[in-house]
Amino acid sequence: AQSVTQPDIHITVSEGASLELRCNYSYGATPYLFWYVQSPGQGLQLLLKYFSGDTLVQGIKGFEAEFKRSQSSFNLRKPSVHWSDAAEYFCAVNQAGTALIFGKGTTLSVSS
Amino acid sequence: EPEVTQTPSHQVTQMGQEVILRCVPISNHLYFYWYRQILGQKVEFLVSFYNNEISEKSEIFDDQFSVERPDGSNFTLKIRSTKLEDSAMYFCASTPKQGSNYGYTFGSGTRLTVV
Repeated sequence: AQSVTQPDIHITVSEGASLELRCNYSYGATPYLFWYVQSPGQGLQLLLKYFSGDTLVQGIKGFEAEFKRSQSSFNLRKPSVHWSDAAEYFCAVNQAGTALIFGKGTTLSVSS
Repeated sequence: EPEVTQTPSHQVTQMGQEVILRCVPISNHLYFYWYRQILGQKVEFLVSFYNNEISEKSEIFDDQFSVERPDGSNFTLKIRSTKLEDSAMYFCASTPKQGSNYGYTFGSGTRLTVV
């Protein structure tokens, strides 16, 4: 069955430090891959997506993610975290014609 | 930027009552979805809707649930005889086409509390 794993439930990083949030998927074929962010009390905002082509994708708010087929991973990165990045981050996958499947999310806290 | 609008933002209902959650998808989108997120858990797919019928549903979406597009703009989720375990954040989403080259645009959600 298709699944998405975000191994880290909660991560704390210092403001200005780099960030990497992990995402692994189990899927029958190369899926479409997404990262969403959810600020407290807010909806889900799309950060970036990967369908094909260049395995390093750029998103909004300075985020990027790299698709590694050999590792079935799609990790989210940011070189320098800002306090406003504190939020819940969700990795999601699907294929054409199928529902979007979410991971359990990683809560990011930013310390000063 | 176009938005998916959900109302109300928060609804409290008594167990056994019926609730209707409302969504206004982006106007040129054709595929509509409902997801839910129980507090502290992951976002779960409920149902997708296209051309006035359900195109896919999860095992969560049982006879207690129904969806409807009553007019050209609204997309509703009805929960009959609510249970305590229906308490969750419910998200509506839409896409222009299935296959999500466009990603899903989500609304801000409706927090449903069943007491």
